[in-house]
Amino acid sequence: NAGVMQNPRHLVRRRGQEARLRCSPMKGHSHVYWYRQLPEEGLKFMVYLQKENIIDESGMPKERFSAEFPKEGPSILRIQQVVRGDSAAYFCASSPQGAPNYGYTFGSGTRLTVV
Amino acid sequence: EDKVVQSPLSLVVHEGDTVTLNCSYEVTNFRSLLWYKQEKKAPTFLFMLTSSGIEKKSGRLSSILDKKELFSILNITATQTGDSAVYLCAVEGNEKLTFGTGTRLTIIP
Repeated sequence: NAGVMQNPRHLVRRRGQEARLRCSPMKGHSHVYWYRQLPEEGLKFMVYLQKENIIDESGMPKERFSAEFPKEGPSILRIQQVVRGDSAAYFCASSPQGAPNYGYTFGSGTRLTVV
Repeated sequence: EDKVVQSPLSLVVHEGDTVTLNCSYEVTNFRSLLWYKQEKKAPTFLFMLTSSGIEKKSGRLSSILDKKELFSILNITATQTGDSAVYLCAVEGNEKLTFGTGTRLTIIP
């Protein structure tokens, strides 16, 4: 049973380009969460999705950022027209319905560098 | 706004020492408090606490929650160099986790 899979592991984009980050949750998990970790800071919640639904996007910047979790395929976090301040590690976590006793399972993250 | 505060921000001790990491929180609709260890990559799960006063233990690590005073501690006894990491505290409320900034623990051989 593979864990949460994120790709790519590292992504370099020039300012103004688009970044697409993918997250495949654990088998049987239908809830996906995206977090951003800026250098020397804690993880900050961005968005919570279930299949085909955005449940809570209160942590998403209002512009340039979007997320989806389609019926088939991975969850995608999309950042348009990236800027240097978007450079961070983006982590995805998944859980089955409700928080299980072992907590959320995190992927290894995608490290985005904007040059 | 939900808030999680960890202290100290960083801690340097010698191998064999015992350390206590602190986490205080303010969160709406508290559901659970979780501790994670983060080395280079993804946070790895340590403990999930939902009830006050019940200690959870795993080897040299233990943790306890006080829901009245809104804090938790993580203890590590007989520390080893492999314990060097950032320890993150997170609180679940309103179906999302709020993380503290972490405590960076460094163990000197």
